[in-house]
Amino acid sequence: DGGITQSPKYLFRKEGQNVTLSCEQNLNHDAMYWYRQDPGQGLRLIYYSQIVNDFQKGDIAEGYSVSREKKESFPLTVTSAQKNPTAFYLCASSIDGTSGNTIYFGEGSWLTVV
Amino acid sequence: AQSVTQPDIHITVSEGASLELRCNYSYGATPYLFWYVQSPGQGLQLLLKYFSGDTLVQGIKGFEAEFKRSQSSFNLRKPSVHWSDAAEYFCAAGWSNTGKLIFGQGTTLQVKP
Repeated sequence: DGGITQSPKYLFRKEGQNVTLSCEQNLNHDAMYWYRQDPGQGLRLIYYSQIVNDFQKGDIAEGYSVSREKKESFPLTVTSAQKNPTAFYLCASSIDGTSGNTIYFGEGSWLTVV
Repeated sequence: AQSVTQPDIHITVSEGASLELRCNYSYGATPYLFWYVQSPGQGLQLLLKYFSGDTLVQGIKGFEAEFKRSQSSFNLRKPSVHWSDAAEYFCAAGWSNTGKLIFGQGTTLQVKP
């Protein structure tokens, strides 16, 4: 089945550690996105990539990093510089980066700092 | 600045009653408009979208939405709510000059038996 796979579903991080969330899609989409979701704040864009080997900062990129070495993969690293990383993270993709295209979402990953 | 507002954070309706969830957008140009639904701990599923043309849009699960340019609104409606509709609903808008989708804060729908 085509879709977006995020792993792990649940992740615990100690203070000062970097962690990487995986996102893989087999929809042959050019554009991929990472959103952060906090209660009452909707979805906020962290990073997005419209093509392989290229990505742009979203609204809340500080403390995060990404790479886009393959079309199907867009991993997100939450670094120790991210002050409040506990949140629900959603990966998404669309055919291309134009705003009229539907964005499809993965099932999300919960990150908790312990 | 471009923004999307969902004025109602939480709505409770009785099963079988009608539903309307409100969504307003700012900025002059007409955006592409979307409604998504999210079950707890899950990703978002597209309910419907508006690009142009007929201002009344039909979606999945019996939902519809009406675009009103004069009110900068894109309200979601359902004539008869089912208990399985309890979820969080997000309105989103995309403007062609940005290439990004902006989400509202979400509305949590609770359905009473």
